[in-house]
Amino acid sequence: NAGVTQTPKFQVLKTGQSMTLQCAQDMNHNSMYWYRQDPGMGLRLIYYSASEGTTDKGEVPNGYNVSRLNKREFSLRLESAAPSQTSVYFCASKRDRDGNTIYFGEGSWLTVV
Amino acid sequence: DQQVKQNSPSLSVQEGRISILNCDYTNSMFDYFLWYKKYPAEGPTFLISISSIKDKNEDGRFTVFLNKSAKHLSLHIVPSQPGDSAVYFCAARGSGSGNTGKLIFGQGTTLQVKP
Repeated sequence: NAGVTQTPKFQVLKTGQSMTLQCAQDMNHNSMYWYRQDPGMGLRLIYYSASEGTTDKGEVPNGYNVSRLNKREFSLRLESAAPSQTSVYFCASKRDRDGNTIYFGEGSWLTVV
Repeated sequence: DQQVKQNSPSLSVQEGRISILNCDYTNSMFDYFLWYKKYPAEGPTFLISISSIKDKNEDGRFTVFLNKSAKHLSLHIVPSQPGDSAVYFCAARGSGSGNTGKLIFGQGTTLQVKP
């Protein structure tokens, strides 16, 4: 029972490098989200996708791009990584826009040096 | 502009006693509130929720109270157990047109339950 799966779990990048965080869910959920967690800041929404083919900005979208490849997959791309993007990234999904509970993946620890 | 605030970064409680975690919000359009629990190196997991039309919801040892006039909610854990030691996040969902059901989270409160 996988739920929400994120890869990679750990990554170290040099400033200016690019990378993509992958996320897939097997619960047939319509909505998917990317959050970042920083000390003292809680979980902040980067981007979300209410349904396949749609994406929208969250609270902190700068420096990121996303792709909702299909209903299952929602990727987050850092085109030119910066030290300020060192964080723990969580992908999440929810049944539909009126559903109340979102389900999180286990997180991806990203360090930009 | 933090719409959901957890003003206590940490809380320490003795095993068997009550833990009370607090959360304040500023947006009166929030219509649903949730609590998530997070262990180190894991993703947050859903704990309990409450609709804005209610003032209390109970699930076993966990009870959430909502005071709409004060824009305040709290999570009570009774009795507290060492396994409850984790970070607790309060979250709120906005309502109205244009809402996409996304959640806004507080900063989190680290609960330590001492044996």
